[in-house]
Amino acid sequence: AQTVTQSQPEMSVQEAETVTLSCTYDTSENNYYLFWYKQPPSRQMILVIRQEAYKQQNATENRFSVNFQKAAKSFSLKISDSQLGDTAMYFCASGAQGGSEKLVFGKGTKLTVNP
Amino acid sequence: NAGVMQNPRHLVRRRGQEARLRCSPMKGHSHVYWYRQLPEEGLKFMVYLQKENIIDESGMPKERFSAEFPKEGPSILRIQQVVRGDSAAYFCASSERRSPGELFFGEGSRLTVL
Repeated sequence: AQTVTQSQPEMSVQEAETVTLSCTYDTSENNYYLFWYKQPPSRQMILVIRQEAYKQQNATENRFSVNFQKAAKSFSLKISDSQLGDTAMYFCASGAQGGSEKLVFGKGTKLTVNP
Repeated sequence: NAGVMQNPRHLVRRRGQEARLRCSPMKGHSHVYWYRQLPEEGLKFMVYLQKENIIDESGMPKERFSAEFPKEGPSILRIQQVVRGDSAAYFCASSERRSPGELFFGEGSRLTVL
């Protein structure tokens, strides 16, 4: 079974600063993916970034990057140069590769970017 | 290319009534997933379907809930005899192939049971 834990229910950051959201996971799968999804007030789930567990290099998408520590089962999201539009719920999720298609989500972190 | 379309966006039902939620996947996508989000919670997997087949329904409650994805038309999530605990946002996602991480989500349907 897979579990995903986000220990920060809420966080805030000043515009233009950097913030890191934490996520730990547990899985018995050898091959798996990890994701960060953003859910703005409109509630649509938007994929922010994805990491294949077999890749050692941390994924990066513009201002978003991850720190993937496989041995520690840690997958944090760093948002650089925070913008007001980054205000949203952020969900960490895991999914097995080649087997179960379902994603397991954490409970989310509510991020507020202050002007 | 239109995204995943869900309707209705908001649905209000009284206890004991039936709720039907519809999901049209992205064009060319034959894999559909339903997730439920309770207040202050992350999404919980319910069911995974391909055209005319239920592949994994391990997250579906044993009673009152059913899902289908017919050869023609949208996928339907049906909840019979709704109770207040069914109040939640129900999200549909689709993918082109059987692979996590290629999911495209709809905007969700919010069900409120009075």
